[in-house]
Amino acid sequence: EKVMTQSPATLSVSPGERATLSCRASQSVSSNLAWYQQKPGQAPRLLIYGASTRAAGIPARFSGSGSGTEFTLTISSLQSEDFAVYYCQQYNNWPQTFGQGTKVEIK
Amino acid sequence: QITLKESGPTLVKPTQTLTLTCTFSGFSLSTNGVGVGWIRQPPGKALEWLALIYWDDDKRYSPSLKSRLTITKDASKNQVVLTMTNMDPVDTATYFCAHSHWNRAWVPYWGQGTLVTVSS
Repeated sequence: EKVMTQSPATLSVSPGERATLSCRASQSVSSNLAWYQQKPGQAPRLLIYGASTRAAGIPARFSGSGSGTEFTLTISSLQSEDFAVYYCQQYNNWPQTFGQGTKVEIK
Repeated sequence: QITLKESGPTLVKPTQTLTLTCTFSGFSLSTNGVGVGWIRQPPGKALEWLALIYWDDDKRYSPSLKSRLTITKDASKNQVVLTMTNMDPVDTATYFCAHSHWNRAWVPYWGQGTLVTVSS
């Protein structure tokens, strides 16, 4: 089972600033990686798949990069609605596994 | 428009069996490649895939929970059912139903989730 490790656990950012979130896989997952945003009491929302492709309706300030074992989600200019928890997920192999999440909070 | 909705008990006792139903619309589980599965999230914790069933009845289970899980489908009713035996308080979580695809295995569509509490 591939272990996904996200860092940092919590990221304190001011509105308008850039946020950079990391996700590391214990073994290569190629580009089979997705990012999700989750707000309290809601289901996760797909942001990125294929490591770098934005899902439908996702603003351009969200971008993903990486392949193999190292991945990054960048939010170029944080808006108030972006404060949430972000999860990465590998779907290269079953069981598909998620990271433990990065909480982006207001600084 | 694709929608999924979970239904089932909100409270189960330890050792009981949990049965959850996912009722979906906007797609068919008879279509090549389509899958529906279950993901859970304990309060304040991360997400965990439990089980997935595909259009051709291929099934995948979490290795750590495989002995306790059964997933079935009724494509004619647009439903997928998950059973989990021998429930324990650590199984307290929100259980989400999810749409997937065998070669596009990210999750664009989720149910709203249902909180299941395991307590005597």
